[in-house]
This record gives sequence, C-alpha cells and structure tokens, in this order.
Amino acid sequence: KAGVTQTPRYLIKTRGQQVTLSCSPISGHRSVSWYQQTPGQGLQFLFEYFSETQRNKGNFPGRFSGRQFSNSRSEMNVSTLELGDSALYLCASSPRTSGKPNEQFFGPGTRLTVL
Amino acid sequence: AQSVTQPDIHITVSEGASLELRCNYSYGATPYLFWYVQSPGQGLQLLLKYFSGDTLVQGIKGFEAEFKRSQSSFNLRKPSVHWSDAAEYFCAVGANQFYFGTGTSLTVIP
Repeated sequence: KAGVTQTPRYLIKTRGQQVTLSCSPISGHRSVSWYQQTPGQGLQFLFEYFSETQRNKGNFPGRFSGRQFSNSRSEMNVSTLELGDSALYLCASSPRTSGKPNEQFFGPGTRLTVL
Repeated sequence: AQSVTQPDIHITVSEGASLELRCNYSYGATPYLFWYVQSPGQGLQLLLKYFSGDTLVQGIKGFEAEFKRSQSSFNLRKPSVHWSDAAEYFCAVGANQFYFGTGTSLTVIP
C-alpha cells in the first residue's frame, strides 16, 4: 500500500498570503489529521477530519481551516499568513475503526516558510 | 489535562551501548501510547504502540517499551544502539487526537 502523501513538500510564501496544503491518506483510511511542528512548540494538533466532517479541533486561530473530500483526501488552508506560521505541517491518516484504538500513519510533511 | 513529558531533551550514547528514553503521560482515559521516530526533514515513523494486554511491547528496529500504569510511564529501550538510530524520538498518547511530547534527540557516538 502506498503511504500518506503530501504536496507540495516545500513552500515559500510571504506574510499576508494564503496557502493550501494537500494530503492523500493511505487507501482505505477515512480519518485524516493535521499537525503543526515547530522547534519552539513541538507537535501540535490542528484538526481531524473523518468522512468529510471535522471531528476534533486543536487550539489554533480561525485562519487555519481544512476540509476533506469524498475520496478522503484532505486540504488544509492557512489565510493571512504570519511569520510564526513557518513550520512543518504533517498529515496523518488512520482507519479510525469504530470502538477500537487506531494508530496514525504520518506523511513526510510540507515545509512552509513565510517571509 | 492530557499531556506527555519527555524529560530528556538530548541524549548521547556510544554505539553498542544500551538506551532508555523516558516518557511520562497524563491522560484522563485508557491511555493508548505510541513511540515515533523522526529523521531530519522526514515525517514520523511508528516504532511501537501499546493499546492493552502485555505491558512490554516489541517494536521495529529492535526497540521495546514498557507500560507502567502506576508510574504513568512508557519508556523506550534498546539493548544495543546502532549509528543509524540517531534521530528525534517522540512519545505520544491519545485516541483520535494525539498529544506528543517535545521529543528526545539521540546522538550516537561511533
């Protein structure tokens, strides 16, 4: 099975712009989660989508949003970029089997640099 | 509140020596625990997980971890470290939302 893929791998934007990141989960996985990784804050949970619905949300401002499509692919959008948004954005997919714990499988990440 | 603490920011060991990375967690429900490894510029790779049952779990690359409920710990161990083990190690707890520790950076001296 192919792993989690994220595009693009690297991105450079300027303050005030917006950006869209894409994530394709492992085939058959219906849950996609997004994390932000920075040297200062570590790995922080952004949100989780399951069957096109946001199921969980972390403590991030409304500038961070996401969506999931019927094929389970997910996009994350950040509007009005700030310097502090520079980070590695990681996507993780999970089968999210009902009533069972699930492990998350991570993609390679998208490195976003805001200038 | 849910949280994970990895007390050691950085550890240096000699190749062939044993390794233990510490992880303590706080979680309100049954803890599902994970160890991930991250090489520079890469995503996270799952080393092992604990859901229930035997408290000593085996993972990939010769790693193992022991769940101790009384100590709220899930320490990662390896009997003999290889140079290729140099990386960042993250402990995590959660179900559908994961809480990660701040990571332990491992340096291996030849």
